[in-house]
Amino acid sequence: DIQMTQSPSSLSASVGDRVTITCRASQGIANYLAWFQQKPGKVPKLLIYAASTLQSGVPSRFSGSKSGTDFTLTISSLQPEDVATYYCQKYNSAPQTFGGGTKVEIK
Amino acid sequence: EVQLLESGGNLVQPGGSLRLSCAASGFTFSSYAMSWVRQAPGKGLEWVSAISGSGGSTYNADSVKGRFTISRDNSKNTLYLQMNSLRAEDTAVYYCAKYYDSSGYYVYWYLDLWGRGTLVTVSS
Repeated sequence: DIQMTQSPSSLSASVGDRVTITCRASQGIANYLAWFQQKPGKVPKLLIYAASTLQSGVPSRFSGSKSGTDFTLTISSLQPEDVATYYCQKYNSAPQTFGGGTKVEIK
Repeated sequence: EVQLLESGGNLVQPGGSLRLSCAASGFTFSSYAMSWVRQAPGKGLEWVSAISGSGGSTYNADSVKGRFTISRDNSKNTLYLQMNSLRAEDTAVYYCAKYYDSSGYYVYWYLDLWGRGTLVTVSS
């Protein structure tokens, strides 16, 4: 099975900072990668699909990119409401594995 | 409004069984593949099972294979997860989630709607 390795597991940044989260697939998955945001005590919410397509209603400060088997979620200017845990998920084939998550906090 | 509502979570002893349900509304249920995703307390998300829109194709993660069965009743707009031989490590919030595409397939498609979850606790 394809493994999804997400890093870092946590980070602390200041409001307005640029934040980058990486997800590495153990094999090629083309662009079949989604990013989810889970705020404390809440349900996961789809942010990005197809590696770089923003889900409707998601602020434009969120973006996704791909380089080989490395995928990146970027928050261009961190806001207080972005405090959450972020997960990547590959969906090219079953099992549709999630990454381990990245907890984002405000410094 | 498109909505998913899980039910059936409970406290159960190790080795016991439980059936979760997920009632769907606001969309043509039979056209969409569905999934169960779980989250152990303080842990990350784990994809558990998926089923095609027709119910003819299913997949279970290795961690639950042979113990859990995903099914659906399209006449009742309801998704199920039958959980047998439960273990302490199955303790989690179980989310029902819908795939985006109306083709009814889960391969090559992402989850776009999640329910609020139901808590399963396995303990003696």
